[in-house]
Amino acid sequence: DVKVTQSSRYLVKRTGEKVFLECVQDMDHENMFWYRQDPGLGLRLIYFSYDVKMKEKGDIPEGYSVSREKKERFSLILESASTNQTSMYLCASSFWDRGYSNQPQHFGDGTRLSIL
Amino acid sequence: GENVEQHPSTLSVQEGDSAVIKCTYSDSASNYFPWYKQELGKRPQLIIDIRSNVGEKKDQRIAVTLNKTAKHFSLHITETQPEDSAVYFCAASLTGNQFYFGTGTSLTVIP
Repeated sequence: DVKVTQSSRYLVKRTGEKVFLECVQDMDHENMFWYRQDPGLGLRLIYFSYDVKMKEKGDIPEGYSVSREKKERFSLILESASTNQTSMYLCASSFWDRGYSNQPQHFGDGTRLSIL
Repeated sequence: GENVEQHPSTLSVQEGDSAVIKCTYSDSASNYFPWYKQELGKRPQLIIDIRSNVGEKKDQRIAVTLNKTAKHFSLHITETQPEDSAVYFCAASLTGNQFYFGTGTSLTVIP
């Protein structure tokens, strides 16, 4: 069974702090994703990565950066946290089928981040 | 980019009745459509998916239908049970690197 582990379930930080959210998957998946989940807005993609050191912006990348130094780990960085970044953050991974058939994503439990 | 709309945003049904959730998408090239169930405080989990070369797929009480011409797909849950209560998300994908999600439907099954 695929396991996607996010380092924290709950996190409280202060405005202006640099915040790191970590995600690790154990299935050797090529693709990894960071989403933000807010009531009424569904899941919005912040960044995704399809290989080590590769990253692509999603729909709402402003104020965030990412790092993927190893295949199993994908980090989300809030460069200078602001109160409007208070949200639930979900990490996901998926297998890249070289036959170009899409594969489902597997999600972590989420990190509920509060910025005070 | 792709735009996925999901309706209704909330749905209440009596136990044993059927529930239907509909999604529309804008990019006719999208070819993969998963559905996720998220129980309160838990991670979204895949419950069923369909590819564009198939019109319908069933798994026990759950089915998904796809109408490529109209660009919409629907989730059908029959004989609903209280444990079906959750938020359901639809999604559409073309490349597998980007998934576009609907805004979710909160389903409540009343015992």
